[in-house]
Amino acid sequence: AQSVTQLGSHVSVSEGALVLLRCNYSSSVPPYLFWYVQYPNQGLQLLLKYTTGATLVKGINGFEAEFKKSETSFHLTKPSAHMSDAAEYFCAVRNNAGNMLTFGGGTRLMVKP
Amino acid sequence: NAGVMQNPRHLVRRRGQEARLRCSPMKGHSHVYWYRQLPEEGLKFMVYLQKENIIDESGMPKERFSAEFPKEGPSILRIQQVVRGDSAAYFCASSSATGLNTGELFFGEGSRLTVL
Repeated sequence: AQSVTQLGSHVSVSEGALVLLRCNYSSSVPPYLFWYVQYPNQGLQLLLKYTTGATLVKGINGFEAEFKKSETSFHLTKPSAHMSDAAEYFCAVRNNAGNMLTFGGGTRLMVKP
Repeated sequence: NAGVMQNPRHLVRRRGQEARLRCSPMKGHSHVYWYRQLPEEGLKFMVYLQKENIIDESGMPKERFSAEFPKEGPSILRIQQVVRGDSAAYFCASSSATGLNTGELFFGEGSRLTVL
């Protein structure tokens, strides 16, 4: 079965600083990986996804993530945090049957002025 | 171009009452998923449905919970005899058949159930 681990349930950075949110996965098949963002009292919005091809994927709002098979990781980064990036971020992996996503526990990003 | 629509957004029930949560998928989507988000926890898969069929309900509690996606109308998640532990945000997501190839889901804004 697939699983996702997000290290750090809370991450705090200063505005303008690098954002790094960690995600490790387990999958018995080549994974399809996703990052979603959830703003307060809203649903989840897709940030970016990796399916096949280039291992560095770019998403919306300046975020990107790199798929590293050897490390079973899919960490999310942004060079410079903005106050509007404060939200909860979820990493997810598609299951073997290809019909659902398994989510990590989420990381709440706080951005300090 | 409506997205996934969920209602009610907020629902308050007393212990023992029934809760019904509705989800209309995006236009053209025939695959619906329900996830539950407990306070300070991630999203847990509950059930996956296509029109008139339950495909996977491995995440549904064995008792009191049921889901349907009729030929006409929205998908319904029904919780009977609610208990305080049912208090959570319930998210619906939908996908097209093509979207399933990549696993991309489109989420509604959620229904927040509070059990008093």
